[in-house]
Amino acid sequence: KQEVTQIPAALSVPEGENLVLNCSFTDSAIYNLQWFRQDPGKGLTSLLLIQSSQREQTSGRLNASLDKSSGRSTLYIAASQPGDSATYLCAVNRDDKIIFGKGTRLHILP
Amino acid sequence: DVKVTQSSRYLVKRTGEKVFLECVQDMDHENMFWYRQDPGLGLRLIYFSYDVKMKEKGDIPEGYSVSREKKERFSLILESASTNQTSMYLCASSLDLYGYTFGSGTRLTVV
Repeated sequence: KQEVTQIPAALSVPEGENLVLNCSFTDSAIYNLQWFRQDPGKGLTSLLLIQSSQREQTSGRLNASLDKSSGRSTLYIAASQPGDSATYLCAVNRDDKIIFGKGTRLHILP
Repeated sequence: DVKVTQSSRYLVKRTGEKVFLECVQDMDHENMFWYRQDPGLGLRLIYFSYDVKMKEKGDIPEGYSVSREKKERFSLILESASTNQTSMYLCASSLDLYGYTFGSGTRLTVV
């Protein structure tokens, strides 16, 4: 059974720092991996989607990598800003169902 | 951009009421999903549908049912609402392997 783990559960960093969020999964047979952002009380906003054949995807200050063989993905946020404060979730897609991690709650300190 | 619209942001219902949560997507996606999200438990799949008139149980279907009469609309039904169904409900749609798009969520409180 696929399990997705995100460590740490919470993270606080000063504004301007670069940071990395981690996601690991137990079954490497995935179709794709998706990173989402969730603000308190809101829905999920898709940030990046990496297909299983890809190694990374970039959007602005965000870069997501995928290493299927080791069951790991990272989300790199450059030059963090207070507006980046949110919960970040990763989800792996297999058999057209996605399995979510429980997220990392990120707080950027002004 | 694909848009997934959930009809209500906040709902308060009484125990025993029949509750309908509506979800509409505007990009002809085949697949639609209902999740609930609770602190410490993450997102859990309630029901999903890969086609009109089709539905499949997810991980926690008890106390819920769904309806998909049209491709763009997927409704979640709480047959007799209970306090343990107080939660954030999230609808999503997807097209094959092109990722999921979520609605803005419905915060349901059952009193």
